[in-house]
Amino acid sequence: AQSVTQPDIHITVSEGASLELRCNYSYGATPYLFWYVQSPGQGLQLLLKYFSGDTLVQGIKGFEAEFKRSQSSFNLRKPSVHWSDAAEYFCAVVSDSGGYNMLIFGAGTRLAVHP
Amino acid sequence: EAQVTQNPRYLITVTGKKLTVTCSQNMNHEYMSWYRQDPGLGLRQIYYSMNVEVTDKGDVPEGYKVSRKEKRNFPLILESPSPNQTSLYFCASSGSRVHGYTFGSGTRLTVV
Repeated sequence: AQSVTQPDIHITVSEGASLELRCNYSYGATPYLFWYVQSPGQGLQLLLKYFSGDTLVQGIKGFEAEFKRSQSSFNLRKPSVHWSDAAEYFCAVVSDSGGYNMLIFGAGTRLAVHP
Repeated sequence: EAQVTQNPRYLITVTGKKLTVTCSQNMNHEYMSWYRQDPGLGLRQIYYSMNVEVTDKGDVPEGYKVSRKEKRNFPLILESPSPNQTSLYFCASSGSRVHGYTFGSGTRLTVV
């Protein structure tokens, strides 16, 4: 069965520091991968997605992610974190089981940003 | 504006009192889904729908019902809510796997 693992439950970084959030997936075929962000009290906003082509994808808010098939990973990165990036981040993979594109989420990583 | 609209945003109810959370999308999407979010567990799928009159169970369907009589609407029904259904609920819709899902703003439900 498809699954997504986000090994880090909480991460704290200083403002201006670089960030990498880890995501590992389990999926037999080429996966459709997504990163979502959830600010406090808000819904989920799509940051970026990968389904084919260039393995380094750019998203909104200065985020990027790199798909590495050999490591079954899709880590999210940002060169310089801003205080407004404090939020919860979810990695997800689309499962096409039964012809339906069900989105399977990781447990999330909560990011805190210190001034 | 393309969006998924859920109502209500907040709801406090008592055990056993039937309730419905509405969800509507204006993007003509075929796929719609309900998720619940609980601390440490991420988002878990409750029910999904591939099109009108086509629905199926997700990972945690017990205690919930859904219907899809129209393409735009996908209400979540709790016939007899219990305290373990206290959670944050999200409705989402999708036109294709390539585009992922668009999420509503969420409904925070408390069952006392």
